[in-house]
Amino acid sequence: EPEVTQTPSHQVTQMGQEVILRCVPISNHLYFYWYRQILGQKVEFLVSFYNNEISEKSEIFDDQFSVERPDGSNFTLKIRSTKLEDSAMYFCASSGRGGKRDEQFFGPGTRLTVL
Amino acid sequence: AQTVTQSQPEMSVQEAETVTLSCTYDTSESDYYLFWYKQPPSRQMILVIRQEAYKQQNATENRFSVNFQKAAKSFSLKISDSQLGDAAMYFCAYGEETSGSRLTFGEGTQLTVNP
Repeated sequence: EPEVTQTPSHQVTQMGQEVILRCVPISNHLYFYWYRQILGQKVEFLVSFYNNEISEKSEIFDDQFSVERPDGSNFTLKIRSTKLEDSAMYFCASSGRGGKRDEQFFGPGTRLTVL
Repeated sequence: AQTVTQSQPEMSVQEAETVTLSCTYDTSESDYYLFWYKQPPSRQMILVIRQEAYKQQNATENRFSVNFQKAAKSFSLKISDSQLGDAAMYFCAYGEETSGSRLTFGEGTQLTVNP
C-alpha cells in the first residue's frame, strides 16, 4: 500500500540554525500539507501546497518557514532560523487527485528538537 | 473560523467493553467532513473513520462507529469490544469539502484500555 515517508525521523539542531524536513508524498497525489504538533498539544495546520504554489497557510507559517517541491517526488519544509519553540513533531500529509474531498494520508512525522 | 472541541482529556475502558469519545465542532458550512484519527505512542496519525456531513447514515468501520448529530454539531466515536491495541490518543478533525483544504483538529482524548 502506498504511504507517505518522511526523513529524518529525528532532527536535533541548535537555535538559529536552518533545518530542512523532507517528505515523499504518495506518488499520484496532488495536494501536500505540513502540520505541527508540539508535545502534549493538538495537531496544527501549517501550510498546504498545490500546483507548485502555496494554496493556504496558517498564522504560524511566518517568514521563517518555506516549502518547496524541488522535483517530482519530494516536498520539503525549511525553517530558516530555528527557535526553541519550533521544537515539535512535524507531519507531512498528501491527498487527492482532485474533485471532492479526499483523505489526507499522514507520514510518520519528524521530531525536531531545537537546543 | 472552524473550531473542534474534545472535552475529555482522558478516558479509560475495560478490555472488551464499549467506550464513547465526544467531539463537538463549530462551522457555518453545510458540507464538510469529519474524521477520527488515532495516534499511538509512535505518534503516527492513523485514520480511524470518516463521515461526510451530507450523509445521514452514521459511518461504521468494524468495531468503530460514530454518532453524527449535524444539528447539534456533535460527532462522537464509539469503540466496541475494546482491545489493548486501541490504547492511544484520539483526535477529532474537521475538513471542508474543498479539495486540499486544511484539517482542524481537536485537543485529543487519551484512551487507556485496562486488561
